[in-house]
Amino acid sequence: EAGVAQSPRYKIIEKRQSVAFWCNPISGHATLYWYQQILGQGPKLLIQFQNNGVVDDSQLPKDRFSAERLKGVDSTLKIQPAKLEDSAVYLCASSQDISPYNEQFFGPGTRLTVL
Amino acid sequence: DQQVKQNSPSLSVQEGRISILNCDYTNSMFDYFLWYKKYPAEGPTFLISISSIKDKNEDGRFTVFLNKSAKHLSLHIVPSQPGDSAVYFCAASGGGGADGLTFGKGTHLIIQP
Repeated sequence: EAGVAQSPRYKIIEKRQSVAFWCNPISGHATLYWYQQILGQGPKLLIQFQNNGVVDDSQLPKDRFSAERLKGVDSTLKIQPAKLEDSAVYLCASSQDISPYNEQFFGPGTRLTVL
Repeated sequence: DQQVKQNSPSLSVQEGRISILNCDYTNSMFDYFLWYKKYPAEGPTFLISISSIKDKNEDGRFTVFLNKSAKHLSLHIVPSQPGDSAVYFCAASGGGGADGLTFGKGTHLIIQP
């Protein structure tokens, strides 16, 4: 079974530029999560989708971050414009369904550096 | 406001001995707790979990203990092996439909030969 795929693996941009990350979850997984992990911290949930609907985006900085999962499969996370403090690893995870007892499988992450 | 706290940034243990990683939480709504293991340049992988209705869960060399009154959990690894060297994250989930995880900062476990 293929795992969660993310691209790109690394990205370096200047502040005020835009950037987008892509995630393809495990086949058949209805729930998809985006987490932000700043160096020295644990992952922080940004947004959770159930199929193509948003379940929780309370911690997403909506003035600059947006995410979509239009067909209920893969997802993109965008930052526009980027700030220095957005430098982090962006992790995508998926689970079979919306239950805390379903294991969340994580992708390798995209490491973003904002200069 | 750290709702899940791992106060030891790193821990060094001799191979073959017991590793004990600790985690404290403040949110009494959390009812499910998990440990994830992370190697460099990889995403976290699930290790073991425990529901708030239990006080112990065991899986091979890994045991998680939960003390609800103290809002404390611990992960025991016995015996510790070189491949256990990694960053370990404690995570918690609250009730309700949204089940995103709240993570601690992690503990870097180093197994010495």
